[in-house]
Amino acid sequence: DVKVTQSSRYLVKRTGEKVFLECVQDMDHENMFWYRQDPGLGLRLIYFSYDVKMKEKGDIPEGYSVSREKKERFSLILESASTNQTSMYLCASSFGSPLHFGNGTRLTVT
Amino acid sequence: SQQGEEDPQALSIQEGENATMNCSYKTSINNLQWYRQNSGRGLVHLILIRSNEREKHSGRLRVTLDTSKKSSSLLITASRAADTASYFCATFKSYGKLTFGQGTILTVHP
Repeated sequence: DVKVTQSSRYLVKRTGEKVFLECVQDMDHENMFWYRQDPGLGLRLIYFSYDVKMKEKGDIPEGYSVSREKKERFSLILESASTNQTSMYLCASSFGSPLHFGNGTRLTVT
Repeated sequence: SQQGEEDPQALSIQEGENATMNCSYKTSINNLQWYRQNSGRGLVHLILIRSNEREKHSGRLRVTLDTSKKSSSLLITASRAADTASYFCATFKSYGKLTFGQGTILTVHP
């Protein structure tokens, strides 16, 4: 079974902090994704990567960056956290379809 | 509005009844997928239907796709309380990138 592991289940950070969300997959998938999920807005794609060191902007990349130095790991970085980035963050990986999701990180920025 | 919009937003039924959720989308697709999310968890893939397919079954799930109307439906037969979850449709075009709708919250009462 594919396993996608997000390093934290819950995070509380202060406004202005630099925040790292880590995601690791164990199936050698080429594609990895970061989504955020907010009530009434569904899932929105922040960034995705289809290979090591490759990244593509999704629908809402502003305020975020990503890093993919190794195939199994995809990190989401909030350079300077703001309260409007309080959300559930979901990482996923795939080889084509379907996507395999982690359990999410609920981030609160105060 | 987003690609992949579900209808209804919420559905409440009794155990044993059938649940039908609909999804509409705007652009051409390669395939359409349905996912399930239990409260506070990641999404789990349920079923994928390709653009050249009209109907697909998996256990108690039946998915239809009408590309002329750009719509899909998910039918869950003989619902159980354990089916209580949010259900999302997602459309796939290329590069493994999925676009999700806002989801339907299904509540099945014992």
